[in-house]
Amino acid sequence: EVQLLESGGGLVQPGGSLRLSCAASGLTFSSHAMSWVRQAPGKGLEWVSAISGSGGSTYYADSVKGRFTISRDNSRNTLYLQMNSLRAEDTALYYCAKDRVGGDGFDMWGQGTMVTVSS
Amino acid sequence: DIQMTQSPSTLSASVGDRVTITCRASQSISSWLAWYQQKPGKAPKLLIYKASSLESGVPSRFSGSGSGTEFTLTINSLQPDDFATYYCLHYNSYSNTFGGGTKVEIK
Repeated sequence: EVQLLESGGGLVQPGGSLRLSCAASGLTFSSHAMSWVRQAPGKGLEWVSAISGSGGSTYYADSVKGRFTISRDNSRNTLYLQMNSLRAEDTALYYCAKDRVGGDGFDMWGQGTMVTVSS
Repeated sequence: DIQMTQSPSTLSASVGDRVTITCRASQSISSWLAWYQQKPGKAPKLLIYKASSLESGVPSRFSGSGSGTEFTLTINSLQPDDFATYYCLHYNSYSNTFGGGTKVEIK
């Protein structure tokens, strides 16, 4: 059974940093592109960032470009999101999501980890 | 950037109704569209990919159609378990854009 388990969320002050992790099991991790998707409280879904299976290609939403860095360690089956220069508007539940084979959307999601940016 | 516009934002329906949700793209996206269902406190669940392909395990009362700029998600004979929020997603290798969501409420 495929499982994705996020961790690393918490309360951070504006301008601060946080690193999220997503531990994957039950799949050949390196075979799948992965993404981070966030959802602000009471709001819709927003794609944040994606990374290819090898880690050689990364992509970002304009709202986080230059502040967030996605990476992965295929030897540890783990996805990361380094978040710097955090703003109040980054407050959200952050999900990691696995690309469906063929790249047709995201077919598996974690349960999410909450990030709150507040002084 | 491609924008995805969903309508309506809220929909009131009864059990047994046929429900249609629309998603419009600001430019042609071929069939690179998926539909998700999200219930409160839960992660989204993939229903449809490639505009009209039903994900394994999803009931056949869900169907998707469209290509280019206009897409629809149809739920035939709405069931109590279907009251939720639905999102469309335009996906490609370098960018992904969700629609704003449609909340399906009990009438």
